[in-house]
Amino acid sequence: GAVVSQHPSWVICKSGTSVKIECRSLDFQATTMFWYRQFPKQSLMLMATSNEGSKATYEQGVEKDKFLINHASLTLSTLTVTSAHPEDSSFYICSRDRGNTEAFFGQGTRLTVV
Amino acid sequence: TQLLEQSPQFLSIQEGENLTVYCNSSSVFSSLQWYRQEPGEGPVLLVTVVTGGEVKKLKRLTFQFGDARKDSSLHITAAQPGDTGLYLCAYISSGSARQLTFGSGTQLTVLP
Repeated sequence: GAVVSQHPSWVICKSGTSVKIECRSLDFQATTMFWYRQFPKQSLMLMATSNEGSKATYEQGVEKDKFLINHASLTLSTLTVTSAHPEDSSFYICSRDRGNTEAFFGQGTRLTVV
Repeated sequence: TQLLEQSPQFLSIQEGENLTVYCNSSSVFSSLQWYRQEPGEGPVLLVTVVTGGEVKKLKRLTFQFGDARKDSSLHITAAQPGDTGLYLCAYISSGSARQLTFGSGTQLTVLP
């Protein structure tokens, strides 16, 4: 079964509104989780590393004030897309790893901003 | 600029054909991973290759890690429509954050 649960699976919002995406680690306490963005027919691009109890680390070019990440507990990280615009429409995926083995991904969230 | 370049970017073949996907870099990696992603889902790990020259088989899929640990390939024998998906190579950063960085991806479509 799934070890990382992401919610919602899809969301449609109006321009200017904010959207929150949740990522839960179901079987493992994750001090670190990762957020990716994926455009159609393209690869996954790392947006930020979510750190439990501290600030997220953002990749170059990712606006931290636009993509707010909160990792308040060992099992939950949230990504909030603030003041969303149509260009923010994308597939957002979270993940966590388990040491030196593999990464486990959520089901992804399809965000459409109209 | 992608550190891991995959080729081809798109591949459409008939059921039963063989194919090879390449993952190339100028950097040396301690290991590389291959994932497959289906539409609307997250990637799923297929294999991790660790040793230079290593060959791993997963049913009809054969993975190879280059001798110099700079590149890897995925060969699929007798492709089936169920093999359709986005194939991604990736490496894990050596830092404490252990970020996963993906290659540019290969979209495979196997037609019945």
